[in-house]
Amino acid sequence: SQQGEEDPQALSIQEGENATMNCSYKTSINNLQWYRQNSGRGLVHLILIRSNEREKHSGRLRVTLDTSKKSSSLLITASRAADTASYFCATGGQGAQKLVFGQGTRLTINP
Amino acid sequence: ETGVTQTPRHLVMGMTNKKSLKCEQHLGHNAMYWYKQSAKKPLELMFVYNFKEQTENNSVPSRFSPECPNSSHLFLHLHTLQPEDSALYLCASSQDWDLDNEQFFGPGTRLTVL
Repeated sequence: SQQGEEDPQALSIQEGENATMNCSYKTSINNLQWYRQNSGRGLVHLILIRSNEREKHSGRLRVTLDTSKKSSSLLITASRAADTASYFCATGGQGAQKLVFGQGTRLTINP
Repeated sequence: ETGVTQTPRHLVMGMTNKKSLKCEQHLGHNAMYWYKQSAKKPLELMFVYNFKEQTENNSVPSRFSPECPNSSHLFLHLHTLQPEDSALYLCASSQDWDLDNEQFFGPGTRLTVL
C-alpha cells in the first residue's frame, strides 16, 4: 500500500512555537499533498509538492520531501491557536488513480 | 467554506431507511468524489466521477449507490445500512481527475445509523 502514515499521531505545543509533522509512505509517488481538517469539517488543501521538488513554502508553512527516505515533513512556524486541527498527508502514486490519505496528526496549539 | 456544499449536515437513520446525501460544487470542476471518514481510520475513497462517468468504485458495498446527473451534482443513495456505516461522508471535487490537482472538500455529512 502507498498509504501515508503521519507522525506523531498527536502534538500539543504552545502558541508561538513551531510545529513539525512527518509523513512516511511506501511506494513511488508523483506528488504529495498536505491537507488540514478542523474538527468535524471538510479538508482544506494546504500545499502540493511534486516528486522532483525537495522543499516548498507557503506563508508560515514549509514542506520538505525526501523521496529516498519516502518521507515528507510539514513545518508550521509561529503557531497560532487557529492552527489547531488535524493534518493529513495524501500521496498520488505512480500509476495510481487516487489520492491515499494517512491517518493524520492531531495538532493542538495552547494559548 | 469552500465552493462545495453538502446536505444534510447531519443525518440519523435506521437500518431499514432509505436516504440520500447531496453534494454540489460551484467551481466548474469535472471530477467529484465521495469519501468515508470513520473514527481512527484513514480517509477512504469510495467513488470517483469524471465528466459524469464513474471511474472508480473502491469495493464499496451495494447498499451505497452513487449518482452523478451532471458535473456539478453528486448524490449518495443509502439503503439498508449497518451501524458500522456511521461516519462522516465527505464530498470533494477537482478540476480534472488528475492527481496533480488539489481537491476541494465539502463540510461533510455526519451519518449515524441506529
